[in-house]
This record gives sequence, structure tokens and C-alpha cells, in this order.
Amino acid sequence: KAGVTQTPRYLIKTRGQQVTLSCSPISGHRSVSWYQQTPGQGLQFLFEYFSETQRNKGNFPGRFSGRQFSNSRSEMNVSTLELGDSALYLCASSLQDPLNEQFFGPGTRLTVL
Amino acid sequence: DQQVKQNSPSLSVQEGRISILNCDYTNSMFDYFLWYKKYPAEGPTFLISISSIKDKNEDGRFTVFLNKSAKHLSLHIVPSQPGDSAVYFCAASGTGSGGSNYKLTFGKGTLLTVNP
Repeated sequence: KAGVTQTPRYLIKTRGQQVTLSCSPISGHRSVSWYQQTPGQGLQFLFEYFSETQRNKGNFPGRFSGRQFSNSRSEMNVSTLELGDSALYLCASSLQDPLNEQFFGPGTRLTVL
Repeated sequence: DQQVKQNSPSLSVQEGRISILNCDYTNSMFDYFLWYKKYPAEGPTFLISISSIKDKNEDGRFTVFLNKSAKHLSLHIVPSQPGDSAVYFCAASGTGSGGSNYKLTFGKGTLLTVNP
């Protein structure tokens, strides 16, 4: 069974640009969560999707958005990038609820210059 | 406002001894807790969880203890092995009524080093 895949693995952008990150969950998993990890911080919850619906959202500005497609694949978008958006963005999938075992992808390392 | 705190950034133990990783939380609505382990260049992997209706959950070498009155939980690894060297994250969730809000709040992590 293939694991959670995230593309791209590495990305370099400049301030003001926008970026789209992609996540393919494990086959059969319908819940997808996104997290931001920065140095010195834990994983900070961005949002969670299930059946194309956002069920919860973290405390991030509106520049951060996401969506989920009918095949459970998910994308997150960050507009008007700031230096502080440089981070590892992790996607995780679970069958129905992130409180059950979540499986994480390797992450996308975003660097904003 | 950090609702889940792991106050020890790092911990070093000898192989074969017990590792105790601690976690405190402030939100009284949390009623479900999880531990994840993360190796460098990999995503976190789930280790063990505990519901607030229990005070202990065991899975092999890993045991999680929950003290609701102190809003404190700990992960015990016995015996510790060099392969356990990783960053351990504590996470919490809940609505206070046993329902899910589909959101995990993580601590900053503790780097465990197990020396041979």
C-alpha cells in the first residue's frame, strides 16, 4: 500500500509569490490534515478536510487556503508569501478522523527568499 | 498561547534504561492524547494514544500515563533502544464531550537520544 505522497518535496519562492502544495493520501483514506512545522515550533495545525469539506481550521491568516478533491487528494495554497512562511509543510491522512492513526507524508520544504 | 507544552527540548538516556517524556496541557477541553515519533527527513509516525477515560495505556515497550487533575501526561519507554532516538511529539484533541473536532494540537517536541 503506497504511503502519503507530497509534491513537490522542495520549493523555493520569493516574497509576494503564491504557491500550491499537493498531497495524495493513502488509498481509502478520506481525512486529510495539513500542518506547518517551523524551527523551534511544534507542528501547527492548518486545516482538515473530509469528503471535500473543511471540518476545522487552525489560526492562520486567510492567505493560507486548501481544498480537497473527490478522490481525496488535497492541495493547499499560500498567497502573497512572506519570509515567515518558510517551513516544512506536512500532510497526513487517516480513514475518517485524525484522532485515529494518522499517516504523515515526508513533507514539502518551502523556502521563501 | 501554547496549549500543549513539552518543557524538555532534549533527553539523553542509556540503552536499556527507562526514558520518560513529559507533556503538559492547559486546555481542559482536551480529552484525547497521542504521541508521535519523528525521525529526520521523515514525517511523524503514530506511537500510542490515550483517552481521558483511562489513566494508562500500554503497547509493548511504550506506556502512556495520564493525570487529568494535573493536566499532565508522560510516555515511558522501557527498555530504551538506540533505534528509539528521535523527536517525540505529544498531541491533544477534544471537545470536552468525547466528540472529535478533527484537530490535533501538538507540542514542540522532545529530542530523545539513546546512547549505546
